[in-house]
Amino acid sequence: KNQVEQSPQSLIILEGKNCTLQCNYTVSPFSNLRWYKQDTGRGPVSLTIMTFSENTKSNGRYTATLDADTKQSSLHITASQLSDSASYICVVNPNTGNQFYFGTGTSLTVIP
Amino acid sequence: DSGVTQTPKHLITATGQRVTLRCSPRSGDLSVYWYQQSLDQGLQFLIQYYNGEERAKGNILERFSAQQFPDLHSELNLSSLELGDSALYFCASSARGIGIREQFFGPGTRLTVL
Repeated sequence: KNQVEQSPQSLIILEGKNCTLQCNYTVSPFSNLRWYKQDTGRGPVSLTIMTFSENTKSNGRYTATLDADTKQSSLHITASQLSDSASYICVVNPNTGNQFYFGTGTSLTVIP
Repeated sequence: DSGVTQTPKHLITATGQRVTLRCSPRSGDLSVYWYQQSLDQGLQFLIQYYNGEERAKGNILERFSAQQFPDLHSELNLSSLELGDSALYFCASSARGIGIREQFFGPGTRLTVL
């Protein structure tokens, strides 16, 4: 069964600290993996898109890694800011058609 | 602002009713995607259209249907509504062409079924 699991479910960190969010998937075959940031009540915003051949991709203070062999991805946030408080969602897209499989997200809270 | 617009912003209706949600993609985008986000299920992909034609189907119920018009706007029709259909419905669009494209999400329509 195609599944995407994220951990932790929620996380609280101090402003200025780094954190890492995890995404494990069983989706097969595999085309690409996406990370989104979603503020409460708003539409998701794309952070990174990685294909099978990419191991790392950065977008400012956000760095995503992908290990297609172990089917794991991580999103590392550096020097967190209050505005980073949001839900972070991992999405996997298989080769067949354009179905998208979503994780349930990690809720991140950055406190002063 | 992603450039994707959705109307209405909020919709309250009763069980058994039918509603239509509207989405206008970013200028020049040919692909439109519909997603449902409920508290217990998270985000789920419903359906994708590309230049007026259905491209991919996800977990869309038979009571739901969608279409993309020649001007590229899209509508999602939800019928015989049930309490469980209460959710945020997002539309996203991506640029023309095949291959992997970044999706830009609209602000969503919050549907409440009473």
